[in-house]
Amino acid sequence: DAGVTQSPTHLIKTRGQQVTLRCSPKSGHDTVSWYQQALGQGPQFIFQYYEEEERQRGNFPDRFSGHQFPNYSSELNVNALLLGDSALYLCASSLGRGKPQHFGDGTRLSIL
Amino acid sequence: AQKVTQAQTEISVVEKEDVTLDCVYETRDTTYYLFWYKQPPSGELVFLIRRNSFDEQNEISGRYSWNFQKSTSSFNFTITASQVVDSAVYFCALSEAAVGTALIFGKGTTLSVSS
Repeated sequence: DAGVTQSPTHLIKTRGQQVTLRCSPKSGHDTVSWYQQALGQGPQFIFQYYEEEERQRGNFPDRFSGHQFPNYSSELNVNALLLGDSALYLCASSLGRGKPQHFGDGTRLSIL
Repeated sequence: AQKVTQAQTEISVVEKEDVTLDCVYETRDTTYYLFWYKQPPSGELVFLIRRNSFDEQNEISGRYSWNFQKSTSSFNFTITASQVVDSAVYFCALSEAAVGTALIFGKGTTLSVSS
């Protein structure tokens, strides 16, 4: 049973560029959430997708956008990258409200 | 507003010692869920436990135990007879049913267990 998979593992970009991160949820899960984890901090919620729509959003600017596909996989897009966007981006999947979210290994994004 | 506080930034113990990680939460919701996650150096967040606000029973799973007290808004985690493999960052998290399923994390407690 495959868990949550994310790609790529590492990514290096420069300021102003755009990036797309990908996530495949755990088998049977229909909800995908994205989190940003800066070094030494707890993960911060970016947004959540369910039935191909953004269901909930955290306090992140519109530069952060996402998409969920019919097979429940998801993408996170970040435009106009800033140095402060350097972080570990974690994808989590779940099934239903209040159920545990299962996390992938993350994508480490470095902005130069 | 919802908030999770893990006051202990770092804890260092020697193998076989017992250690308790503290978690205090704030919420105005009556229905909420509390979680503990472990993040080893590899980076993946590993789910440990979930508790809903209506279930104050303490839970024990092997060397791990959790104490949930609504009266003090605390959800503490104890590791008995710690082992080197327990070294990791531990996060406490909260989600509120009225808001959705987003997890609000504390800043984490780094546990170092030496042999």
